[in-house]
This record gives sequence, C-alpha cells and structure tokens, in this order.
Amino acid sequence: ETGVTQSPTHLIKTRGQQVTLRCSSQSGHNTVSWYQQALGQGPQFIFQYYREEENGRGNFPPRFSGLQFPNYSSELNVNALELDDSALYLCASSLSGTGALGYTFGSGTRLTVV
Amino acid sequence: AQSVSQHNHHVILSEAASLELGCNYSYGGTVNLFWYVQYPGQHLQLLLKYFSGDPLVKGIKGFEAEFIKSKFSFNLRKPSVQWSDTAEYFCAVRSPTDSWGKLQFGAGTQVVVTP
Repeated sequence: ETGVTQSPTHLIKTRGQQVTLRCSSQSGHNTVSWYQQALGQGPQFIFQYYREEENGRGNFPPRFSGLQFPNYSSELNVNALELDDSALYLCASSLSGTGALGYTFGSGTRLTVV
Repeated sequence: AQSVSQHNHHVILSEAASLELGCNYSYGGTVNLFWYVQYPGQHLQLLLKYFSGDPLVKGIKGFEAEFIKSKFSFNLRKPSVQWSDTAEYFCAVRSPTDSWGKLQFGAGTQVVVTP
C-alpha cells in the first residue's frame, strides 16, 4: 500500500505571497488532516477534511484554507504569507471521520517565508 | 486550556540504557493517547496508542507506555535502547468527544543514543 505523499518537499516564498501545498492520502483513507510544525515544536492542528468537507479547525486564521477532492487528496492554501508561517506542514490521512484508527503522516513540506 | 507537556526536550543516553519519557496532559474526561516517533528525515510513525483497557500498552520496536489516569500521565519506556532509537518522540492526545480526529501534540523530546 502507498503511504501519504506530499508535494513539494521544500518551498521558498516571499512575504505576502500565496502558496498551495498538496497531499495524496493513503489508499482507502477518506480523512485528511493538516498540521503545522514550527521549529522545535510539536505539530499544531490546522484543520481536517472528511468526505470533501472541513469538519474541524484549529486556532488558525481564515487565510489558511483547504480543499479535499473526490479521490480524497487534499490541498492546503495559505494566503498573505507571513514570516511566522515558516514551518514544516504535515498531512495525515485516516480511514474514519474521527481518526479512531490512527493517522498515517506524510514527510511534510518545508515552507520558508522570506 | 487543554495542553500536553513533555518533560524533557533533549535526552542523551548510551546504548543498552533504559529510557523513560514523560508525558502529562490536562484534559478532562476520557482521552485517547498516542506516542509517535520521527526518525531523522522520515515521517511521523505511530509507536503505540491507548484507547481503553489495560493501561500498560505495548508498541512496536520494544516500546511500552503506561497510562496513569490519576496522574494524567502516559509515560513511554524502553528497557534497553539501541543507536537506531535516535529520534524525536512526540506524545499526543485526542478527545473522543470531539467531532473530528484532532490530535494535540507535545513539544517533543529529542533522544540521542550514543554507541
């Protein structure tokens, strides 16, 4: 079985720009969550998509938005990038809407905002 | 506010030494508990999880964790570490009453095992 794949692996953007990060979920998984991991910190929950709808959100501003597609892949969009958005962005997929069966994480996208 | 605390940010130990990593959480009610490991350059991998039942949970690679409800703790242990256990370890908590599978992570503990 394939795992969770994320693209790109690294990205450099300028403050004020917009960025789109992509995630392909593990085969058969219908739920995708996104996390932000700043340097030296644990991952922070951004939001989760279940059957193409956002069904949970962490403490992140509206300029963080997402999509989930019919094949359960997902995008994370960040508008008006700020320097503090520099972080590793992780995608995790799971089989149920509640994550009861655990999550499979991707290797992440390292975003640097300059 | 709900939080997850990992007591040590960095741990250095020799091969064959015993490892114990502390994790405390501040959630009311029932929780699901997880330990994840991140090897250098790799993705987060689940070591073990606790949902209910026996509070002593055995995971992969010889790791185990004990849930002590009265202490709001879920400490990770390994009796004898190997150089390959060098990694960052994260404790995570989830409230099953949430309508979504949000995990709250601790800040992580960097473990370095020296030969």
